[in-house]
Amino acid sequence: GEDVEQSLFLSVREGDSSVINCTYTDSSSTYLYWYKQEPGAGLQLLTYIFSNMDMKQDQRLTVLLNKKDKHLSLRIADTQTGDSAIYFCAVMDTGRRALTFGSGTRLQVQP
Amino acid sequence: NAGVTQTPKFRVLKTGQSMTLLCAQDMNHEYMYWYRQDPGMGLRLIHYSVGEGTTAKGEVPDGYNVSRLKKQNFLLGLESAAPSQTSVYFCASSPEWGRHTEAFFGQGTRLTVV
Repeated sequence: GEDVEQSLFLSVREGDSSVINCTYTDSSSTYLYWYKQEPGAGLQLLTYIFSNMDMKQDQRLTVLLNKKDKHLSLRIADTQTGDSAIYFCAVMDTGRRALTFGSGTRLQVQP
Repeated sequence: NAGVTQTPKFRVLKTGQSMTLLCAQDMNHEYMYWYRQDPGMGLRLIHYSVGEGTTAKGEVPDGYNVSRLKKQNFLLGLESAAPSQTSVYFCASSPEWGRHTEAFFGQGTRLTVV
């Protein structure tokens, strides 16, 4: 089955850019997602990218996809303290028709 | 618009007890999922359903059963709870396959088995 990996922790200063990285194994994944989870809450979809795209920009968020290396990244520009949360990379498991998640990256934004 | 609603939000069980977690969605979605979230392990798929009356095993199905008797409801059952099932459980739903499908998540159920 699909395997999705992320680093566990990232700390940045307010106003800096944050880059969260993700690698996956299934090259047939069609959609790749970034979800945000704030403490005690469910998961909120931030953005997604279709597998035939290299980049997608949505306000402060930029998603880069390198299909050859099976590498996905999320860049948050001008990171704010409100961006502190856990960020999950997820890919569509075409076999199960379900999302496979990475372990999540905890982003800590220091004032 | 309620979206995905999970009941209950918190529960403490003794080892060996049984319980059912209820997930209800009001978006007429075909697909529904149960995940569990454990520290440092992300979300792992327990069971899922691709339509009313169907269920299928996910990554970690042992110790759980599910039913999808009505399209809007997906029930997760623990027949004999074990401490290893202490976790936060999330239900999700999504539209039909074949196009970008955003999965909508409930707020989670925090279950502690003592």
